[in-house]
Amino acid sequence: KNQVEQSPQSLIILEGKNCTLQCNYTVSPFSNLRWYKQDTGRGPVSLTIMTFSENTKSNGRYTATLDADTKQSSLHITASQLSDSASYICVVYGGTYKYIFGTGTRLKVLA
Amino acid sequence: NAGVTQTPKFRILKIGQSMTLQCTQDMNHNYMYWYRQDPGMGLKLIYYSVGAGITDKGEVPNGYNVSRSTTEDFPLRLELAAPSQTSVYFCASSYSRVRGLSNTGELFFGEGSRLTVL
Repeated sequence: KNQVEQSPQSLIILEGKNCTLQCNYTVSPFSNLRWYKQDTGRGPVSLTIMTFSENTKSNGRYTATLDADTKQSSLHITASQLSDSASYICVVYGGTYKYIFGTGTRLKVLA
Repeated sequence: NAGVTQTPKFRILKIGQSMTLQCTQDMNHNYMYWYRQDPGMGLKLIYYSVGAGITDKGEVPNGYNVSRSTTEDFPLRLELAAPSQTSVYFCASSYSRVRGLSNTGELFFGEGSRLTVL
């Protein structure tokens, strides 16, 4: 069964701290993996994309990693800001219309 | 570019009423999708379309209908609304080559439509 599992479900950190979100997947075929950020009341917006051959990709303070052998990905947020408070969704793309969504990690950054 | 535009943002329906959620995109994407997002759950695909005149069912199509008369528009119709259809609905689009070079498959989402059925 195609599945994407994320942990933790929710996370609270202080402004300026780092955090890491996890994503495990069992999706086949695999085309790429994306992390999306969803602000409250808004639609998801793509942060990074990882293809099968990529291990690490950065987008500003966001760094995603992918281990295709163990089917795990992580999203590391450095020096968190209040604006990072959002849900982060891991999405595995299997080609054409096939997107498998994780349930998301809800991050709250406190001042 | 406006991207993907959905209307309305909020709507309250009574059981048995019908309504249409509108979605339009100005990126000339061939693929369009409707998802629903329920609390604590991943987005579930309701219907998708690979181009004008072509639609197909996703994971949770019951109680919904779609049409795709143009590349830009992909309305979602709810017939005989039920409380189980209370959810946040997202329209999305992507560009996918039919054959040849691979595509990144990036999804572009609208802002969502929050529907409550009472």
